[in-house]
Amino acid sequence: NAGVTQTPKFRVLKTGQSMTLLCAQDMNHEYMYWYRQDPGMGLRLIHYSVGEGTTAKGEVPDGYNVSRLKKQNFLLGLESAAPSQTSVYFCASSLILYEQYFGPGTRLTVT
Amino acid sequence: RKEVEQDPGPFNVPEGATVAFNCTYSNSASQSFFWYRQDCRKEPKLLMSVYSSGNEDGRFTAQLNRASQYISLLIRDSKLSDSATYLCVVITRGGSYIPTFGRGTSLIVHP
Repeated sequence: NAGVTQTPKFRVLKTGQSMTLLCAQDMNHEYMYWYRQDPGMGLRLIHYSVGEGTTAKGEVPDGYNVSRLKKQNFLLGLESAAPSQTSVYFCASSLILYEQYFGPGTRLTVT
Repeated sequence: RKEVEQDPGPFNVPEGATVAFNCTYSNSASQSFFWYRQDCRKEPKLLMSVYSSGNEDGRFTAQLNRASQYISLLIRDSKLSDSATYLCVVITRGGSYIPTFGRGTSLIVHP
């Protein structure tokens, strides 16, 4: 039982490049989330999903897209990376009304 | 008014001290409450859920006050290893049941 895993752990991109972050959970959770966390800031919700095939916008969705084709996976895409997207990205999953489990994070730098 | 508010601190306390944090929430329909711990550059991890009757786990006690709409976390006999950021999380019934995070309270325990 691996819980929530994220790949990659680190990545450096140049402005304008694209990439996809993968989140996988093996707990059969319905809800999955993508957050970003910047120095001195709290967690900010980017997008979330309440079930396979569904996605919704969170607090800071601009510049990101997501997909949930399989219940266990939640992908976060950056189509054209910008320096403002330099951040630590956390994925999480949960059952409704229950605690979230977080992945270890992806540290992304956009130069 | 923010949905979930915490004093950012830092709370600077000596080893062995007792320290308490509060977290206020604005929506009376809030249903589930949690405290998470986050170490520097790591993912948040569940510290404890908060139940209506209050709950205790070793040196940690969490309480819910629905009338005044706040939850609290009490740490007794502080250890150096308790130094971290403590995040308050609230889930509100209705809509999509997405957790709302406070920005966290920083605790520094010194020798």
